[in-house]
Amino acid sequence: EDKVVQSPLSLVVHEGDTVTLNCSYEVTNFRSLLWYKQEKKAPTFLFMLTSSGIEKKSGRLSSILDKKELFSILNITATQTGDSAVYLCAYLQGAQKLVFGQGTRLTINP
Amino acid sequence: DAGITQSPRHKVTETGTPVTLRCHQTENHRYMYWYRQDPGHGLRLIHYSYGVKDTDKGEVSDGYSVSRSKTEDFLLTLESATSSQTSVYFCAISDGQGPGELFFGEGSRLTVL
Repeated sequence: EDKVVQSPLSLVVHEGDTVTLNCSYEVTNFRSLLWYKQEKKAPTFLFMLTSSGIEKKSGRLSSILDKKELFSILNITATQTGDSAVYLCAYLQGAQKLVFGQGTRLTINP
Repeated sequence: DAGITQSPRHKVTETGTPVTLRCHQTENHRYMYWYRQDPGHGLRLIHYSYGVKDTDKGEVSDGYSVSRSKTEDFLLTLESATSSQTSVYFCAISDGQGPGELFFGEGSRLTVL
């Protein structure tokens, strides 16, 4: 059965710390893996990864995919309180369906 | 931001009553989706549509039906609401071009008493 598992489910750190969020997957017809950030309302798109070993970067956030070991990580450096959110990992299935993990709730304390 | 509007944004209803949630898009995207979000479960797909009058089930479709009579509107109906359907419902759209991302609406919070 296809699935995606995120870890940790919850994480609390201090402002300025670096965090790494994990996403492992088992998918029979993998197309791409996506990361979303969800604050209070709608999830907003962060990254889409299709090729192994190529890092995607946006400011302090970066992500990489390992298709051999079936996982992805999301790194956030020099965290700020505005980074507090639920981070969602999802894989894209056939017919354009996104299947999500449970999410990681990240809390940044000042 | 993608033009997606959900209505109503908040609704409280009683067990056994019918409920319809509406998703309206102005992007002319082919794919539309309904997800529900509950604590500990992330986002789970209820139904999706890949064109006018073309719909299919997701992983948690029991108790829900959908309709898409126009490109811009995707309706989610709970024929007889139950307390287990208390949730936040998100609509999403995609243009379906390659492995593209989904864009989400602001969500509709439904409480079934």
